[in-house]
Amino acid sequence: DARVTQTPRHKVTEMGQEVTMRCQPILGHNTVFWYRQTMMQGLELLAYFRNRAPLDDSGMPKDRFSAEMPDATLATLKIQPSEPRDSAVYFCASALQGNYGYTFGSGTRLTVV
Amino acid sequence: AQSVTQLGSHVSVSEGALVLLRCNYSSSVPPYLFWYVQYPNQGLQLLLKYTSAATLVKGINGFEAEFKKSETSFHLTKPSAHMSDAAEYFCAVSDSGNTPLVFGKGTRLSVIA
Repeated sequence: DARVTQTPRHKVTEMGQEVTMRCQPILGHNTVFWYRQTMMQGLELLAYFRNRAPLDDSGMPKDRFSAEMPDATLATLKIQPSEPRDSAVYFCASALQGNYGYTFGSGTRLTVV
Repeated sequence: AQSVTQLGSHVSVSEGALVLLRCNYSSSVPPYLFWYVQYPNQGLQLLLKYTSAATLVKGINGFEAEFKKSETSFHLTKPSAHMSDAAEYFCAVSDSGNTPLVFGKGTRLSVIA
């Protein structure tokens, strides 16, 4: 089965450090989403791309978060500097435009201490 | 803006009993509706989707959902619960096939032997 690959699976870092999470979408999928999951807020959309172009990043704290797609096989989400409130599971999902329903990766569990 | 409300953050059923997980949506246009399942430490997996075709949608693992426009509902059912159905279930809505999904808060299903 085709799958979305996220790395790392787990990350523990100290407050103030830079964190980079990576996502390899399914080959041929042209839309990539970043979601954050917490107990309090549930699943929140952070940003999404279509054909590598950012379409919406209004869900991200702009001062510390950035999302990019250097090429069609890689999406990155960076946090600099990280804060304890960023502790969450970050999911990447990919989809083919017009094909309803996403494929999610297994997530990156981030703990900022 | 679209939204979904999942009634009940936790549902507990006996093995072999009917599973009913409730979802109500709000959308200004005909919605696309989805149910996802999340097992511990995994990403979300698509169970089924409604995209304006048949109102009764069958999904994987014996689950089905019925779109009821008059009740703005899309409840998920399974006739007979199995221990392996224990997981978190998310309802989601989109106003088209091209806009990001908005997720509910999730319902945790427990199955008692």
